Amino acid sequence: NAGVTQTPKFQVLKTGQSMTLQCAQDMNHEYMSWYRQDPGMGLRLIHYSVGAGITDQGEVPNGYNVSRSTTEDFPLRLLSAAPSQTSVYFCASRRPSQGERGGEQYFGPGTRLTVT
Amino acid sequence: KNQVEQSPQSLIILEGKNCTLQCNYTVSPFSNLRWYKQDTGRGPVSLTIMTFSENTKSNGRYTATLDADTKQSSLHITASQLSDSASYICVVSADSSASKIIFGSGTRLSIRP
Repeated sequence: NAGVTQTPKFQVLKTGQSMTLQCAQDMNHEYMSWYRQDPGMGLRLIHYSVGAGITDQGEVPNGYNVSRSTTEDFPLRLLSAAPSQTSVYFCASRRPSQGERGGEQYFGPGTRLTVT
Repeated sequence: KNQVEQSPQSLIILEGKNCTLQCNYTVSPFSNLRWYKQDTGRGPVSLTIMTFSENTKSNGRYTATLDADTKQSSLHITASQLSDSASYICVVSADSSASKIIFGSGTRLSIRP
């Protein structure tokens, strides 16, 4: 299994440009999430999905869109890039929680995005 | 407000020494607490998980403890190795919802030869 894959690994955008960060998983996980990681801060949830066709907002959704047409793929779209969106983006997947042990999250390698 | 705070922010120790990282949380309700290891340029990888009724969990040279009464957890690393250089992140789940997972900002550990 490849696990969770993300492309691209690095990206530089100019303010106002749009782009899509790709995420795919081959573990048949129902739950998928997008996080951003900024220096000195914990990972913050952008959007998440509990299954194909179902998405919801996380803590910091503004400026981002997601869709989930298949179980495997969960792309993140930046509509009009801003310097504040410079960050490292991680996609994660897991199975639905089974009791208090909760599903372990599997993270992709990340996409480092710079907006100038 | 649900929060997870970790200390220290960074730590440098010599190879072979032991160290302990701290995590305090104010997450409610509490479902479980995980420690993740994040190597530079990589995504986090789960090391241990503890539920309310578990107060210690080991994974090789890593031992995590949990005091649910004081809402504190620690991660103890024994006989450190150069490969232990990484960030260690404490993560608390409030319930089974995908949106109720709170991340600490991590402790950056550097092992010197």
